[in-house]
Amino acid sequence: GDSVTQMEGPVTLSEEAFLTINCTYTATGYPSLFWYVQYPGEGLQLLLKATKADDKGSNKGFEATYRKETTSFHLEKGSVQVSDSAVYFCALSDRFGTGGFKTIFGAGTRLFVKA
Amino acid sequence: NAGVTQTPKFQVLKTGQSMTLQCAQDMNHNSMYWYRQDPGMGLRLIYYSASEGTTDKGEVPNGYNVSRLNKREFSLRLESAAPSQTSVYFCASKGDPVYGYTFGSGTRLTVV
Repeated sequence: GDSVTQMEGPVTLSEEAFLTINCTYTATGYPSLFWYVQYPGEGLQLLLKATKADDKGSNKGFEATYRKETTSFHLEKGSVQVSDSAVYFCALSDRFGTGGFKTIFGAGTRLFVKA
Repeated sequence: NAGVTQTPKFQVLKTGQSMTLQCAQDMNHNSMYWYRQDPGMGLRLIYYSASEGTTDKGEVPNGYNVSRLNKREFSLRLESAAPSQTSVYFCASKGDPVYGYTFGSGTRLTVV
């Protein structure tokens, strides 16, 4: 079945450091891929998405490229800020059955950014 | 502001009590979902409604019931709360399947 695996956290970085959070997936079809962010005490917010191979999603300085050959969707940011401290979830959405869609979330990676 | 509204934000129940978590969206989305989030277990789907008038079980439906009251509202009911249902509950909605969810801000439920 479909699955999403993301690197375990927590990840601790200093401000202005480069961020990579790895995400790999398995899917039977051609899924859409997503990154969500959850700030303390809040719900998940969609950060970026990509709907087909080689698409790059980007938002707020974050980016991720849909790599079908490596089944990956790694999240990157060139220079993190303290305000980026949050939990990041990788997810895929894929068809199942006759016309339905299901979404699979990774376990989440907590990021701490120190000033 | 457009989005998903959940009530209440916090609740403490005694074992065996019942309650209903309310969720409403104003984005005209067809699909609505209830998830629970537990430490170390990520998000798990409880129930979903692909369209008004339909509901289906997700990964962890036992101990819960849902009602899709209309296109806007999707409620989650705990008939007899158990300590294992202590969790943070999120409602979400989605329009086009290739786009992502919009989540509510969550309900933190403690069952003692």
